[in-house]
Amino acid sequence: GGIITQTPKFLIGQEGQKLTLKCQQNFNHDTMYWYRQDSGKGLRLIYYSITENDLQKGDLSEGYDASREKKSSFSLTVTSAQKNEMAVFLCASSIYRGAETLYFGSGTRLTVL
Amino acid sequence: GDSVTQTEGLVTLTEGLPVMLNCTYQSTYSPFLFWYVQHLNEAPKLLLKSFTDNKRPEHQGFHATLHKSSSSFHLQKSSAQLSDSALYYCALSPMATGGNNKLTFGQGTVLSVIP
Repeated sequence: GGIITQTPKFLIGQEGQKLTLKCQQNFNHDTMYWYRQDSGKGLRLIYYSITENDLQKGDLSEGYDASREKKSSFSLTVTSAQKNEMAVFLCASSIYRGAETLYFGSGTRLTVL
Repeated sequence: GDSVTQTEGLVTLTEGLPVMLNCTYQSTYSPFLFWYVQHLNEAPKLLLKSFTDNKRPEHQGFHATLHKSSSSFHLQKSSAQLSDSALYYCALSPMATGGNNKLTFGQGTVLSVIP
């Protein structure tokens, strides 16, 4: 089996600050995803990547950047944190694009002061 | 575009009673439907996936039937257990040939099972 590790588990930042969330997977999966989880709004896709150095925008990409420098890692940057950014960010991977079984990490909870 | 609707934000049940969480969808294609479950402080994980041959998927006592006529994939269990308390997401994959098969998630339903 494999695991997805997200760091940090809790991230506190100031409004306007640039913040980076990191994700590592050891499944050797091709595709990785970043989702934002807000209560009552489900999971909304921010960015995904089908292979190293590939980036695809999701439905909620404005205000975020992403980077996939290695197959095993996928980072997400909040370019300018806003108070309404407070949410849980979930990283996931799947064996290939279109594979519906996603394997999720436990999330990073972002708080903006 | 594709969409998934879970009408209940919170379902509270007494242990032993049957569970039914609603999920309806809209899609241009004949999609696959999924249920993901997230227990408190854990990662979401796949619970069930619809089959193409109308078989009813089952896992951990939960089952769901894909009804294309009503565009529904409700999650059911005959007897709720305390350990079933969790957040449940219904999700859809359009399975469009050569297309973008990203998952679309519903809003989520919190199931709270009380003694």
